[in-house]
Amino acid sequence: EVQLVESGGGLVQPGGSLRLSCAASGFTFSSYWMHWVRQAPGKGLVWVSRINSDGSITSYADSVKGRFTISRDNAKNTLYLQMNSLRVEDTAVYYCARGGLYSGSTNWYFDLWGRGTLVTVSS
Amino acid sequence: DIVMTQSPDSLAVSLGERATINCKSSQSVLYSSNNKNYLAWYQQKPRQPPKLLIYWASTRESGVPDRFSGSGSGTDFTLTISSLQAEDVAVYYCQQYYSTPYSFGQGTKLEIK
Repeated sequence: EVQLVESGGGLVQPGGSLRLSCAASGFTFSSYWMHWVRQAPGKGLVWVSRINSDGSITSYADSVKGRFTISRDNAKNTLYLQMNSLRVEDTAVYYCARGGLYSGSTNWYFDLWGRGTLVTVSS
Repeated sequence: DIVMTQSPDSLAVSLGERATINCKSSQSVLYSSNNKNYLAWYQQKPRQPPKLLIYWASTRESGVPDRFSGSGSGTDFTLTISSLQAEDVAVYYCQQYYSTPYSFGQGTKLEIK
């Protein structure tokens, strides 16, 4: 089955760190751009970060630049989001999503989403 | 950055009637070299992740019922549900993937009248 499964969310204090994981299965993970998108409780969708198929190109939303790091391990079919210096406003469900195929599909729609993992930043 | 604005914020439509949701981008998302609009529509039901409905502004994703259609070009886009079914109750988002930061509209909540 083609799927993405996020894990690693939880409760963390402001200023703390957390690493999210997204396990991919059922498709050739190493061929796709991957993204993180978040959704604060009761709010809309916000794109967070992207990474290309071999991990050599990354991009971030201004709100997380310098604090979050996206990475991937193609041997383990897993996407990561290292979140440091967490703020209350980072509280959200974090989704991983699949983007385009290979480097030629830089800007592409998101055709596969995981169910998300909840990150709560609170003292 | 490209700002996406949807209208209305919420919509109540009778079963079997047409539902129309609009989306406007602050700058064109039409890429001239391939004549494609980098615009997608997603459906999100309660306690579920978003689901891709439409991409390239008007191409229906595999498995999406043909009552869903997308139209528009440049900066103005529309999602139309031709005959509303009970299972279409959801929040709908447009998204531009023309350039980062990719951005979503604020969402339109669709309910049954």
